[in-house]
Amino acid sequence: EAAVTQSPRNKVTVTGGNVTLSCRQTNSHNYMYWYRQDTGHGLRLIHYSYGAGNLQIGDVPDGYKATRTTQEDFFLLLELASPSQTSLYFCASSGDIQAPLFGEGTRLSVL
Amino acid sequence: QQKVQQSPESLIVPEGGMASLNCTSSDRNVDYFWWYRQHSGKSPKMLMSIFSNGEKEEGRFTVHLNKASLHTSLHIRDSQPSDSALYLCAAYQGGRALIFGTGTTVSVSP
Repeated sequence: EAAVTQSPRNKVTVTGGNVTLSCRQTNSHNYMYWYRQDTGHGLRLIHYSYGAGNLQIGDVPDGYKATRTTQEDFFLLLELASPSQTSLYFCASSGDIQAPLFGEGTRLSVL
Repeated sequence: QQKVQQSPESLIVPEGGMASLNCTSSDRNVDYFWWYRQHSGKSPKMLMSIFSNGEKEEGRFTVHLNKASLHTSLHIRDSQPSDSALYLCAAYQGGRALIFGTGTTVSVSP
């Protein structure tokens, strides 16, 4: 069964802290994405990748780094977390011209 | 500026009624549209896709697409309480990723 698994599901950190969000897909999909969801803004694309070692910049990349280490694994890094990065983060994966399949989300709070 | 605009922001529909949602892209490079549904506390799930001009029906859900105006609409007939959710429109531009609108919150009142 197609799956996208995110970890952790919840995370609390302090301003200036380092955070890594993890995402693994077992769907043999080429594309993986990181979105953030905030009330009034819908889903906003942070970074995406179309294969191991590839990284593409999305619409709201400032303050975020990402790395695709393997076909299955995509990480989102916040090196100096700020309260404005408090949000619900979704990872998704897809094949070419396919609807992305979303993970269950990671709720991040930056105090 | 949001490249994918959705309207209305929220909608209250009586049970058994019709809900109509709209979505327009300001990016003329868009090729395809998807509609997603997100129940409260859950992740978005793909509901329907439409790639060519015209209409597509699946059960109680119908989508329309006008490629010339880059406008798509989603219609839910015989609305049920389980249809209460956030509906997200997404536009795909070849070689990029899906760009989502801000969504329409549908509340079905019993």
